[in-house]
Amino acid sequence: GAGVSQSPSNKVTEKGKDVELRCDPISGHTALYWYRQRLGQGLEFLIYFQGNSAPDKSGLPSDRFSAERTGESVSTLTIQRTQQEDSAVYLCASSWVLGIEQYFGPGTRLTVT
Amino acid sequence: DAKTTQPPSMDCAEGRAANLPCNHSTISGNEYVYWYRQIHSQGPQYIIHGLKNNETNEMASLIITEDRKSSTLILPHATLRDTAVYYCIVRTSAGGTSYGKLTFGQGTILTVHP
Repeated sequence: GAGVSQSPSNKVTEKGKDVELRCDPISGHTALYWYRQRLGQGLEFLIYFQGNSAPDKSGLPSDRFSAERTGESVSTLTIQRTQQEDSAVYLCASSWVLGIEQYFGPGTRLTVT
Repeated sequence: DAKTTQPPSMDCAEGRAANLPCNHSTISGNEYVYWYRQIHSQGPQYIIHGLKNNETNEMASLIITEDRKSSTLILPHATLRDTAVYYCIVRTSAGGTSYGKLTFGQGTILTVHP
């Protein structure tokens, strides 16, 4: 019974480098979400994908952030020219349809030095 | 979305029922009550949701008052692993610019002790 998986679990990168974070949603889930959670803070919505609809990118903090999803499967979140303020846990979630009943992965802890 | 109010913290003895309250006095007719929790250093975990009837699943029970202005999440036999921050969220079933975008308030820190 596979849940949402994310890789890598931890990533340390130097300021200015690009990083790619991967999310494998639960099979059959049509909606996929990316969130960010800074230390001791709440969830910050970044982007969601729903089926073949255009993604909702309204939460992406800058044009350094982008995400793609192949069909209803894997998604990658790319952060270009990383900055120290990008350090956070990046969480991916999926759901059967767009909604609030979302199932989260373990997250990727990104540290920008 | 309706605002929710939860106590900042609660304690519970292991093996006893944990009853976590949530006030949502401005809830509207098409809004559901959702509960999530977040265990330290883990991603959020969906627990349960309901509209007006009481709900039960393998994790918990959700009791919603008849006027729907408050609800209680019940963990029937709390274990040490249930120590987490519990979030009560009120959202519509569909539509709206915030739909699909999960946000948490402060939540209730539940500490289960031996």
